[in-house]
Amino acid sequence: DAGITQSPRHKVTETGTPVTLRCHQTENHRYMYWYRQDPGHGLRLIHYSYGVKDTDKGEVSDGYSVSRSKTEDFLLTLESATSSQTSVYFCATISPRQGPYGYTFGSGTRLTVV
Amino acid sequence: SQELEQSPQSLIVQEGKNLTINCTSSKTLYGLYWYKQKYGEGLIFLMMLQKGGEEKSHEKITAKLDEKKQQSSLHITASQPSHAGIYLCGISGAGSYQLTFGKGTKLSVIP
Repeated sequence: DAGITQSPRHKVTETGTPVTLRCHQTENHRYMYWYRQDPGHGLRLIHYSYGVKDTDKGEVSDGYSVSRSKTEDFLLTLESATSSQTSVYFCATISPRQGPYGYTFGSGTRLTVV
Repeated sequence: SQELEQSPQSLIVQEGKNLTINCTSSKTLYGLYWYKQKYGEGLIFLMMLQKGGEEKSHEKITAKLDEKKQQSSLHITASQPSHAGIYLCGISGAGSYQLTFGKGTKLSVIP
């Protein structure tokens, strides 16, 4: 596997506070992704990156920003957390061993906004 | 309308029974991926299908791709409690490095 680590694994934060989630990979993959998983919605793409400092928006990017200053790290920031952002967040990279566009996922971050 | 439809949404089966999960795309398939998620954990890759008529197996799980119907079916033979979890299908588009996922099928296996 791509050796993806997400941190923190769990977080509870208050409405209005900024929150940063970290995704770290060890295999120098170019593409990295942030998804959120919600009941009834499945996995939805928030942002993705196709290289250092190269990022683009996904389906549900409002209220989120990302940064990628190093190949191995992809940060997701909730600029001012809202209750609607309570979710499980998954990071992924493309893992060629799984097919042309197959993903390897991190273990997820469970975020609760109170 | 949903780009990728999975059915059923949930399934409860007795241990030892066979079952099938379907994934239908409203867009042209360039690759279809099956993942399994155990409750509260990350997603694990099962298999990838790319060509019409292709069939792959992983232990007691078999997936087939019907290119004409733009559909894949995942079949589990003689289900076990270890098969319980959420099964998700994902598709890649032409020239796209992103996967779009279905909403998932929640499988429970009763011992």
